[in-house]
Amino acid sequence: GNSVTQMEGPVTLSEEAFLTINCTYTATGYPSLFWYVQYPGEGLQLLLKATKADDKGSNKGFEATYRKETTSFHLEKGSVQVSDSAVYFCALRGTNAGKSTFGDGTTLTVKP
Amino acid sequence: SQTIHQWPATLVQPVGSPLSLECTVEGTSNPNLYWYRQAAGRGLQLLFYSVGIGQISSEVPQNLSASRPQDRQFILSSKKLLLSDSGFYLCAWRHGRAGTGELFFGEGSRLTVL
Repeated sequence: GNSVTQMEGPVTLSEEAFLTINCTYTATGYPSLFWYVQYPGEGLQLLLKATKADDKGSNKGFEATYRKETTSFHLEKGSVQVSDSAVYFCALRGTNAGKSTFGDGTTLTVKP
Repeated sequence: SQTIHQWPATLVQPVGSPLSLECTVEGTSNPNLYWYRQAAGRGLQLLFYSVGIGQISSEVPQNLSASRPQDRQFILSSKKLLLSDSGFYLCAWRHGRAGTGELFFGEGSRLTVL
């Protein structure tokens, strides 16, 4: 079956530091890949997505590139802010149209 | 535009009591609907999903059940809550056929079973 493995947290960074959260996946066919963000006490919201190999998703300074050769979708941001503190989830939607598969989430804390 | 609402936002229930969490989607038709549970500090566990009225797929055998009485309404229930049912419950939807597959989540319902 499909699976998503993402970097374990928690991750603590200083403001303006560079962020990488690793995500690798296992899936048959050509899944769509997503990063979701969850702020404290809230539901998840889509951060960015990529639907085919070599696509780059980007939003709010975050970006991730769909790498089929390494089955990865790492999240990056060049300069994090305190407001980026949240839990980040990597996910895929496979060829089974009914379900998505999520990673366990990575908690990011950015200190001023 | 589409919106999703779930309620109640917070619930404290004794062990053995019943549960009903409701979720409603507006602004779309024939959505796929999902219930997830998130335990403290953990990832998301898919509990149920539905691709149409009256069609429910269960992912994990447990003390909970789901129903979809209307196209845009999804209900999570239990007859007798267990301590292990505590958690943060999230309802979500996605377009049934069109769209690129992202999920849209509700605000969440925090359940504490005492």
